[in-house]
Amino acid sequence: KAGVTQTPRYLIKTRGQQVTLSCSPISGHRSVSWYQQTPGQGLQFLFEYFSETQRNKGNFPGRFSGRQFSNSRSEMNVSTLELGDSALYLCASSLSGTGFTGELFFGEGSRLTVL
Amino acid sequence: QKEVEQNSGPLSVPEGAIASLNCTYSDRGSQSFFWYRQYSGKSPELIMFIYSNGDKEDGRFTAQLNKASQYVSLLIRDSQPSDSATYLCAVNERGYSSASKIIFGSGTRLSIRP
Repeated sequence: KAGVTQTPRYLIKTRGQQVTLSCSPISGHRSVSWYQQTPGQGLQFLFEYFSETQRNKGNFPGRFSGRQFSNSRSEMNVSTLELGDSALYLCASSLSGTGFTGELFFGEGSRLTVL
Repeated sequence: QKEVEQNSGPLSVPEGAIASLNCTYSDRGSQSFFWYRQYSGKSPELIMFIYSNGDKEDGRFTAQLNKASQYVSLLIRDSQPSDSATYLCAVNERGYSSASKIIFGSGTRLSIRP
């Protein structure tokens, strides 16, 4: 069974540009969550999607957005990039849709460097 | 105030000893609690989850939950060098909808010395 696939794995952008990251969840998983990981802040919750709807959102500015498609694949977008957006962006998928959230299965991440 | 607090470490434990990792959380409505392990350069992977007060054992790992004190811990018995990693405590929180979101602590770095 294929795991969570994230693309691209590495990318370099300059300030002011925008970036789109993609995540394909494990087959059958309908929930996709996105996290930003930095050495100083750890894993920070960005948002979670289920059945094409954003169910939860973390405390990030509006420059961070996402969406989910009917096949459960998800994308996140960061506009007007800032140096502080340099981080590892992790996507995680889950089987559980409601109530107690189940286990998260993480992809290998997309490492974004903003110059 | 951070929602999930962990001591960042590093915590150094001799091989064969018991490693004790602690976590506190702020949302009394949290219902499920997780311990993830993250090796350097790798993604987090779930090692334990616990929903009810008390202890839950799985091999060398024991998770302990005390909802009244809002406290979760992980004990690793017979620590091995392969246990050296960052351990992330995670808690589900009520989101703005009826669904939940999982919030992570910043992790405790564990080092097992031979």
